[in-house]
Amino acid sequence: AQSVTQLDSQVPVFEEAPVELRCNYSSSVSVYLFWYVQYPNQGLQLLLKYLSGSTLVKGINGFEAEFNKSQTSFHLRKPSVHISDTAEYFCAVSPPGRGSYIPTFGRGTSLIVHP
Amino acid sequence: DTAVSQTPKYLVTQMGNDKSIKCEQNLGHDTMYWYKQDSKKFLKIMFSYNNKELIINETVPNRFSPKSPDKAHLNLHINSLELGDSAVYFCASSQGRVYRAGELFFGEGSRLTVL
Repeated sequence: AQSVTQLDSQVPVFEEAPVELRCNYSSSVSVYLFWYVQYPNQGLQLLLKYLSGSTLVKGINGFEAEFNKSQTSFHLRKPSVHISDTAEYFCAVSPPGRGSYIPTFGRGTSLIVHP
Repeated sequence: DTAVSQTPKYLVTQMGNDKSIKCEQNLGHDTMYWYKQDSKKFLKIMFSYNNKELIINETVPNRFSPKSPDKAHLNLHINSLELGDSAVYFCASSQGRVYRAGELFFGEGSRLTVL
C-alpha cells in the first residue's frame, strides 16, 4: 500500500514570492504522482502528473514539480505566485499496473497568497 | 458546458432523513467515483463504478448506496442521515476501469449539512 504525506498544512506567502509545497510518499513499488488544485468552493483539477521520463514536470499556471526517487518526494514549485493561486493543493500517488488502483491523496496544503 | 455536474450543490437536512445526490458526466468516460471530503479537507474514496459495475466499495456504512443507471450517471443515496455525514461529496470520472495514468475529473461538490 502507498501513502502520501504533505508536510505543511498551510503555507502563507507574499505575492510574487517563490513557493514550494512539499510532498513525500511511501510505496513498495514504482508510482505515478499527481498534484491537484482545489480553488474555493470548486472541485479538484489536475495541475500536473509524473508518469515516467524526465523528473521535472511542468504543469498549468506556471507550476512545476520534481520527482526525486531517492528521497521519495514530489515537491511542487512556482517561482512567482499570484493572489489567484490561493487554493488547496493535493498530492496524490497511484501505483501503475493492472487492477483498479485508486489514487491515494495527501491531506492537502493550503496556499495563502498575501498582497 | 460542465464536464462533471452534481446536484444539488448544497443540501441541508435533519438527522434521520434520506437524501440523494446526482452526478452526470458528459466526457464519455466509463468510470465514475464518489469521494467524501471532510471538514479537514481529507479526501476519501467511497465507491467506483465502471460501465455500471461496482468495482470499488470502500468501508462505508450500508446507509450509503450508489446507483449507476448508465455509464454517464452515478447517484448516491444516503439513508438515515447522521451528523457525521456532514461533508462535501465529490463525484469524479476517468477513462478506463484500470486507473493507471489517467486523470480524475471532479465535479464541483455537493455540500451536505446534517442538523
